Amino acid sequence: GQNIDQPTEMTATEGAIVQINCTYQTSGFNGLFWYQQHAGEAPTFLSYNVLDGLEEKGRFSSFLSRSKGYSYLLLKELQMKDSASYLCAVNNGATNKLIFGTGTLLAVQP
Amino acid sequence: DAGVIQSPRHEVTEMGQEVTLRCKPISGHNSLFWYRQTMMRGLELLIYFNNNVPIDDSGMPEDRFSAKMPNASFSTLKIQPSEPRDSAVYFCASSSPGSGGGSSYEQYFGPGTRLTVT
Repeated sequence: GQNIDQPTEMTATEGAIVQINCTYQTSGFNGLFWYQQHAGEAPTFLSYNVLDGLEEKGRFSSFLSRSKGYSYLLLKELQMKDSASYLCAVNNGATNKLIFGTGTLLAVQP
Repeated sequence: DAGVIQSPRHEVTEMGQEVTLRCKPISGHNSLFWYRQTMMRGLELLIYFNNNVPIDDSGMPEDRFSAKMPNASFSTLKIQPSEPRDSAVYFCASSSPGSGGGSSYEQYFGPGTRLTVT
């Protein structure tokens, strides 16, 4: 079957660093995506990894290990506006559809 | 670009009524996806189209749900008859291979339709 696991909730402090983990088991693999979703809004694209390693984009970085079925999203210099749900999604390679995890709700505190 | 457009943004209806949700994908995108999001089950794919043809409807919960894409710029998701358990936010997303800064199959989401069935 297809399974994507993320922690349900996390709390971090403004200015700190937080790492959100995602593990996946899918029938195939053609890339892993991270999306950010603020309350009451649509998901928006953050990052994409298809090869092993770290992709950095400003304050956000995403890491992938295909052999371990593992990814993480790293957020640095946290700001209050980073409080949101972070969704991990995998393209299983058979088609161009994405399989989403249930998301990690991040609360950034002062 | 205006992005993915959905209407209505909010819909409140009584059990048993027909509900039609509408979506206009981003121009040039050839794939369109309908999702449902609830607190309990998260974001679930209902159906997706490629070049206006339904490719995978395995996520459609039951026969009460149907979706069409008569042309490249318009799609509908219909629920008939609606039930209280259909209450959720319904998102439409579109994508095209290679769109979005070189990342394959990045999906762009519309603002969603919040459906409440009483």
